[in-house]
Amino acid sequence: KNEVEQSPQNLTAQEGEFITINCSYSVGISALHWLQQHPGGGIVSLFMLSSGKKKHGRLIATINIQEKHSSLHITASHPRDSAVYICAVMKTSYDKVIFGPGTSLSVIP
Amino acid sequence: EPEVTQTPSHQVTQMGQEVILRCVPISNHLYFYWYRQILGQKVEFLVSFYNNEISEKSEIFDDQFSVERPDGSNFTLKIRSTKLEDSAMYFCASVSGRSNEQFFGPGTRLTVL
Repeated sequence: KNEVEQSPQNLTAQEGEFITINCSYSVGISALHWLQQHPGGGIVSLFMLSSGKKKHGRLIATINIQEKHSSLHITASHPRDSAVYICAVMKTSYDKVIFGPGTSLSVIP
Repeated sequence: EPEVTQTPSHQVTQMGQEVILRCVPISNHLYFYWYRQILGQKVEFLVSFYNNEISEKSEIFDDQFSVERPDGSNFTLKIRSTKLEDSAMYFCASVSGRSNEQFFGPGTRLTVL
């Protein structure tokens, strides 16, 4: 069984739409990453969080430790947001990162 | 802003050849990692490295793989005798020790023919 699951697997949105990507995990964690991967492959860290909520520009990430669930929201989506969004967790500090399968987002003008 | 760098960006090799993938972690970082991503699959952990030794390795990281931090700045992954199934994107990451946030390099795409 995968320790990190994401939904949806694929998502197509119209420009300007509000987008939510969900992540659930089955292990105890010290922190959770949201990462972005563009075609061409590089991974960019968007957020690392261990509780509550973080906001950066049009991106918002929330986590509920008790429910083992996190969400990534994108407000006013734009075609340049098209990428794969990956949820990843660390069980303990300085531990390896366990990656989810990713959500492929396509924002259409 | 400091960043993790990796060279080369793309490596093509023949099956059975040795390859060395290079990473320069962020200066003063203490924890180092290699991950790989086979095309169309999720990213998988290979190995972690701290205090000049391997701290954890996955079942993927068999005797064909080795890591080294030869000079205090570079962090290398060597594959002794490449197989077709080693074709993947390889990512290096580092962590400072003050925060546990991992910083990822841009990746090396390895193609084994």
